[in-house]
Amino acid sequence: GQQVMQIPQYQHVQEGEDFTTYCNSSTTLSNIQWYKQRPGGHPVFLIQLVKSGEVKKQKRLTFQFGEAKKNSSLHITATQTTDVGTYFCAGLGYSTLTFGKGTMLLVSP
Amino acid sequence: EAGVAQSPRYKIIEKRQSVAFWCNPISGHATLYWYQQILGQGPKLLIQFQNNGVVDDSQLPKDRFSAERLKGVDSTLKIQPAKLEDSAVYLCASSLPSGNTIYFGEGSWLTVV
Repeated sequence: GQQVMQIPQYQHVQEGEDFTTYCNSSTTLSNIQWYKQRPGGHPVFLIQLVKSGEVKKQKRLTFQFGEAKKNSSLHITATQTTDVGTYFCAGLGYSTLTFGKGTMLLVSP
Repeated sequence: EAGVAQSPRYKIIEKRQSVAFWCNPISGHATLYWYQQILGQGPKLLIQFQNNGVVDDSQLPKDRFSAERLKGVDSTLKIQPAKLEDSAVYLCASSLPSGNTIYFGEGSWLTVV
C-alpha cells in the first residue's frame, strides 16, 4: 500500500533559526496536504498542494511539491516559539489520505 | 461554524471491556473519517465513509473494531474487546468531497489498562 515517510522525526532549534521537514511518498500523489498538531491538540490543516512543482507561501512558511508529485517539503524561516508542534504531511493517492509520522519541532527561546 | 464534535473526550477501560466513541461531523460534510493516533505517530485511517457507505476500511481490525454511520450524519466507533495496544487517541474528521481539507475533532483519548 501507499507509504508516506517524513524526516527528520524530531528537530530542536533556537528561536530565529530555520527549519525544514521533508516528505516522500512511495507512489505518485494526487495532492499533498500539510497539518500542524500542537502538543495535546488535534491536527489542523495548513495547506494543500496539487500541481507538480507547486510552491506556496504562508508568511514564514514555504511549501513545495516535487516535480514528480512524490515528495514535498515545508520550510519555516526564522522560527518562533509559537511554531512548536508536530508537522505532518498527508498524501492523497487514489482515494485515501495517508499521513506521515510527522516531524516534531521544538523551539528554544 | 461548529466544528467536528466527539465524545467522550477521555476514557479509561480495562482490557477485554468494550468502548464506544461518537462523532458528529461538520454540517454538510459528506465524508467522515475515523483515525487512530498512537502517541508519537501520525494518524492512521481506520475507516472512511461517504455519506453512509464505507469507502475504505482496509486498516480496520474487524475482529474487534466496528463503525457505523446511520443516516449519513453521526457516526460511532466501537471496540470490543479492547486490548492494551488500542490505547490511543481516536480522531474523527470530516470533509467535503474526498481529498479536500479534512477538519479534525478534538479526539477521544482511550487508555486500556
